[in-house]
Amino acid sequence: EAQVTQNPRYLITVTGKKLTVTCSQNMNHEYMSWYRQDPGLGLRQIYYSMNVEVTDKGDVPEGYKVSRKEKRNFPLILESPSPNQTSLYFCASTSNSEANYGYTFGSGTRLTVV
Amino acid sequence: RKEVEQDPGPFNVPEGATVAFNCTYSNSASQSFFWYRQDCRKEPKLLMSVYSSGNEDGRFTAQLNRASQYISLLIRDSKLSDSATYLCVVILNQAGTALIFGKGTTLSVSS
Repeated sequence: EAQVTQNPRYLITVTGKKLTVTCSQNMNHEYMSWYRQDPGLGLRQIYYSMNVEVTDKGDVPEGYKVSRKEKRNFPLILESPSPNQTSLYFCASTSNSEANYGYTFGSGTRLTVV
Repeated sequence: RKEVEQDPGPFNVPEGATVAFNCTYSNSASQSFFWYRQDCRKEPKLLMSVYSSGNEDGRFTAQLNRASQYISLLIRDSKLSDSATYLCVVILNQAGTALIFGKGTTLSVSS
């Protein structure tokens, strides 16, 4: 089944403790991106990647890092999480020939930083 | 500015009703347009792309007016299962990487 898989689905952590949210897609997509969704603010792009070793900042990149060492994986790293990073996170992917045909989203990761 | 504006609703309609959602976008250079559906606490799922010529998928019709920078979604014969939040999404660049989401319009269909 074609899908984008995120792990974990739920995570509670403490301020300052480094964490990684994984994202993997099995559709051989070139494009991958991360979003956070907050009440009243909608989805906002954190980082995106157009291919292996090609990443760039989205609208709200502060406090996050990403890497794209393999085509299928695009982990989101929080080096020192803070409470304002408590949010619902989504990873998404699409083919570069279908970027204008819509993205497929993972099931989301609900992160709480205390 | 890169904004996508939607009426947040909620729209409360009975089964069988026709309901229309609107969306406006501020960047006239926007390239592509979509409607996504999001159920509570779940991932957004692509509902349909939106073209100037208009497109229809069953009970759903989407329309783009580039001159007015306006996107619409019409749902006919509403079903209980249509209850969800509908997100208007605009892609700003030709590469397809710069997505801007509206905050969503909530629809509740009741029996």
